[in-house]
Amino acid sequence: KQEVTQIPAALSVPEGENLVLNCSFTDSAIYNLQWFRQDPGKGLTSLLLIQSSQREQTSGRLNASLDKSSGRSTLYIAASQPGDSATYLCADLISSNTGKLIFGQGTTLQVKP
Amino acid sequence: EADIYQTPRYLVIGTGKKITLECSQTMGHDKMYWYQQDPGMELHLIHYSYGVNSTEKGDLSSESTVSRIRTEHFPLTLESARPSHTSQYLCASSRTGGLGEQFFGPGTRLTVL
Repeated sequence: KQEVTQIPAALSVPEGENLVLNCSFTDSAIYNLQWFRQDPGKGLTSLLLIQSSQREQTSGRLNASLDKSSGRSTLYIAASQPGDSATYLCADLISSNTGKLIFGQGTTLQVKP
Repeated sequence: EADIYQTPRYLVIGTGKKITLECSQTMGHDKMYWYQQDPGMELHLIHYSYGVNSTEKGDLSSESTVSRIRTEHFPLTLESARPSHTSQYLCASSRTGGLGEQFFGPGTRLTVL
């Protein structure tokens, strides 16, 4: 059974720092991996999607990497801003047929001005 | 732009009431999903649908039921709400084929007194 773990559970950094959020998964047979952002009480916003054949994806200040052999993905945020404060979730798509995502518990990020 | 809508956004209701949470998407996606998220916890899939007249139970057991009579509409119903049903319910959709990217609605926060 696929399990997804995110470390750390919470992170507080001063504005301007670069930071890395970690995601690990137990079954390397994933179809793709998605990173989401969730603001308090809101839905999820898709940030980046990495296909299983890819090693990384970039969007603005965000860079996500994928290492299937080690069962790890990282989300790198450059030059963090207070507006980046939110919970970040990673999720594995283990079957393209069902479309079912397995979510981690999330990392809650606070960026202090 | 991804358009997926959920109503109501917030609902406070007494025990024993029947409720229906609405979810609609205008992207023509054939796959739709319902997730349940307790405060501070990860998302768990409770129902999904491959298309019209197709519904399946997800990984987390739920007393709710769903229907898929139209492609764009995937309502969730609780016949008799209980305090244990208090949670946030998130609807998502994706298209068959492609990258499997899921798009989420804003969520419905349900409180059962």
